[in-house]
Amino acid sequence: DAGVTQSPTHLIKTRGQQVTLRCSPKSGHDTVSWYQQALGQGPQFIFQYYEEEERQRGNFPDRFSGHQFPNYSSELNVNALLLGDSALYLCASSLEQGFSEQYFGPGTRLTVT
Amino acid sequence: SQKIEQNSEALNIQEGKTATLTCNYTNYSPAYLQWYRQDPGRGPVFLLLIRENEKEKRKERLKVTFDTTLKQSLFHITASQPADSATYLCALEGGSYIPTFGRGTSLIVHP
Repeated sequence: DAGVTQSPTHLIKTRGQQVTLRCSPKSGHDTVSWYQQALGQGPQFIFQYYEEEERQRGNFPDRFSGHQFPNYSSELNVNALLLGDSALYLCASSLEQGFSEQYFGPGTRLTVT
Repeated sequence: SQKIEQNSEALNIQEGKTATLTCNYTNYSPAYLQWYRQDPGRGPVFLLLIRENEKEKRKERLKVTFDTTLKQSLFHITASQPADSATYLCALEGGSYIPTFGRGTSLIVHP
């Protein structure tokens, strides 16, 4: 049973560039949530996708956008990268928009220089 | 303002002892509280969820208590082992069922 997978593992980008991160949920899960985790901090909720629509959003600017595909996989896009966007980006999957049992992927480490 | 406080100092204990981690919060009325384990460079792993109307929850060597009057949750690991060394995050429902995470406490179990 495949768990949550994310790609790439690491990424280095320059300020002003755009980045796309990918996530495949755990088998049987239909909901994907994205989190940003800065060093030494807890994960911060970015948004959640269910039935290919953004259902809930945290306190993040419009530079952060996403997409969910019919196979439930998801992408996180960040435009006009800032140095402060450097963080570990985590994807979590669950069932039916739930947060009670989320399975997290290993994350993508994004460094903006 | 809303705050979730977990001890920023690492907790060092001897193998076999009970580890107790604390999560305090202010200006939240969470419907639930969760505990996660996170190893370096890895995503968090869900451990336990306790709802606002529950006082205590157990799972194997883990026990969580939730006191909504004190606005505090305690997380216990009994008979701790070096393999329990990790960062433990509490997350509480911050509105619309979205979890809000604390910064985590590092636990180091010495053999």
